[in-house]
Amino acid sequence: GENVEQHPSTLSVQEGDSAVIKCTYSDSASNYFPWYKQELGKGPQLIIDIRSNVGEKKDQRIAVTLNKTAKHFSLHITETQPEDSAVYFCAARGAAGGFKTIFGAGTRLFVKA
Amino acid sequence: DTEVTQTPKHLVMGMTNKKSLKCEQHMGHRAMYWYKQKAKKPPELMFVYSYEKLSINESVPSRFSPECPNSSLLNLHLHALQPEDSALYLCASSQESGYEQYFGPGTRLTVT
Repeated sequence: GENVEQHPSTLSVQEGDSAVIKCTYSDSASNYFPWYKQELGKGPQLIIDIRSNVGEKKDQRIAVTLNKTAKHFSLHITETQPEDSAVYFCAARGAAGGFKTIFGAGTRLFVKA
Repeated sequence: DTEVTQTPKHLVMGMTNKKSLKCEQHMGHRAMYWYKQKAKKPPELMFVYSYEKLSINESVPSRFSPECPNSSLLNLHLHALQPEDSALYLCASSQESGYEQYFGPGTRLTVT
């Protein structure tokens, strides 16, 4: 089945700097890659996603890139703000086993004011 | 409206109790999910319903019993749980199975 690895596990940046989180997946048939932000005491919130027929997608300060050949995708947050501090999960929708969503282990992002 | 609601917010139950978690969405989504999340871990898929039919059961112990009474509601019936079942239980929904899942706030379950 699908396996998703996520790095780094913790990331600390200064306000205004950029943050990059990277994920790799194992199932070459995976076709959908969402990113979720989870704040303390809340459920995960979908912040951006990309399908396998697209290489890059941007939404204001957030962008995601996908390299299907290398089977990796990344989240880029520019001009970080303290409210970006949260745990971020990447995920992949695998084809095996009925199109399950498998999550990476998560990255705890700290944005220092 | 992209809201998924879950009740209760918190639940404490003994190992011999029977309780139910409830989830509701009014986005017209046809897929609904239950996830379990332990502290500092990612959500782990438990069940998927597609068009009100159970499509995925991730080998979850039978003390967890899901139910989808209609396209807007999802229940998780709990019976004879163990302390290690204590976790945040998340419900999610999406228009198509596996895409663009919207999560509820979760039910924090403690088994004593």
